[in-house]
Amino acid sequence: DVKVTQSSRYLVKRTGEKVFLECVQDMDHENMFWYRQDPGLGLRLIYFSYDVKMKEKGDIPEGYSVSREKKERFSLILESASTNQTSMYLCASSSSGVWSNQPQHFGDGTRLSIL
Amino acid sequence: GDSVTQMEGPVTLSEEAFLTINCTYTATGYPSLFWYVQYPGEGLQLLLKATKADDKGSNKGFEATYRKETTSFHLEKGSVQVSDSAVYFCALTRQGGSEKLVFGKGTKLTVNP
Repeated sequence: DVKVTQSSRYLVKRTGEKVFLECVQDMDHENMFWYRQDPGLGLRLIYFSYDVKMKEKGDIPEGYSVSREKKERFSLILESASTNQTSMYLCASSSSGVWSNQPQHFGDGTRLSIL
Repeated sequence: GDSVTQMEGPVTLSEEAFLTINCTYTATGYPSLFWYVQYPGEGLQLLLKATKADDKGSNKGFEATYRKETTSFHLEKGSVQVSDSAVYFCALTRQGGSEKLVFGKGTKLTVNP
């Protein structure tokens, strides 16, 4: 089974801090994704990566950056945390196929609180 | 742009009741369609998928049929259990396009004994 592991289930940080969320997958997937999940808004894509050192902005990239130095690891960085970034963050990975019907596999999420 | 609209919850049912969660989509081309489920405290899991018109996806007693004429992918289960209590997300990707998923906002289902 595919395993997507997020480094923390719960995290509390202070406004202005630089925050790192880590995600590792063990299935050699090409694609990795970061979402945030908020009540009433569903899942929104922050950034995704389709190869090492490659990244593309999603729907809400402002205030975030990402890093993918190795295929199995995808990091989300909050450059200067703000209270409106308090949320549940979900990482996912998928393999690339000829057709875009490969399912995404999700980690259990990191609930981040910015005080 | 592409979008997914699913019925708003919450939905509360008694055990063994019939479940329908409506999902409609707007997309160019020929999307693949998915239902994901999120149990309390967990990430999302793929429940079922369909990749072309008239395909039926099924898993764990849940079914959904890809209806191109009505741009719909409604989730159904004949007899729900308490363990089905979760949030259900409908999603799509564009065939031949990027690997990005477009999600609906989710429908929370609670099943009472």
